Amino acid sequence: AQSVAQPEDQVNVAEGNPLTVKCTYSVSGNPYLFWYVQYPNRGLQFLLKYITGDNLVKGSYGFEAEFNKSQTSFHLKKPSALVSDSALYFCAVRDMGYQKVTFGTGTKLQVIP
Amino acid sequence: DGGITQSPKYLFRKEGQNVTLSCEQNLNHDAMYWYRQDPGQGLRLIYYSQIVNDFQKGDIAEGYSVSREKKESFPLTVTSAQKNPTAFYLCASSGSGTGVSPLHFGNGTRLTVT
Repeated sequence: AQSVAQPEDQVNVAEGNPLTVKCTYSVSGNPYLFWYVQYPNRGLQFLLKYITGDNLVKGSYGFEAEFNKSQTSFHLKKPSALVSDSALYFCAVRDMGYQKVTFGTGTKLQVIP
Repeated sequence: DGGITQSPKYLFRKEGQNVTLSCEQNLNHDAMYWYRQDPGQGLRLIYYSQIVNDFQKGDIAEGYSVSREKKESFPLTVTSAQKNPTAFYLCASSGSGTGVSPLHFGNGTRLTVT
């Protein structure tokens, strides 16, 4: 069975500071990994994905994520946080060869002006 | 514009009634998904379909049913057997072809059962 853990319910960061939102995963095979963002009462929007290759992937709105196979982690990062980045962030995993996509419980990011 | 349409945005039902949530996509995607979102529990997979006339149970399928008679449509029925149906329901789709396609989400249906 595949699973995703997001250990922090909420992350607070000051505007202009770097941010990290943590994610660890478990799959039986090779993972496809994703980050999504959700604004209130809306669906999720895709930010970035890791398929294979370079461990640092870049996505929308200046976000990037680092894949670490030995630690089974895929942390989301941004060098300088904006107040408009405040939202709910979800990490997701898909086992290669399958269509089932499993999400974590989400992390609320609060960027403080 | 291509996208996923979920209707209605808000739905109210009495306990004991079945209710069907609509999901339509014009992205020509093969795979479609239904998730349930509850505070503190993230998104939990109810059902997914990789192709027309085929679907698989997700992690919390009990009390729900789906059909996939057309590529564009994947309606979800919340039956009276679902013990806690009040939730935010999200439909998504993804393409299948070369490459790995992310999920595209609708804006959700908030179901309240009293």
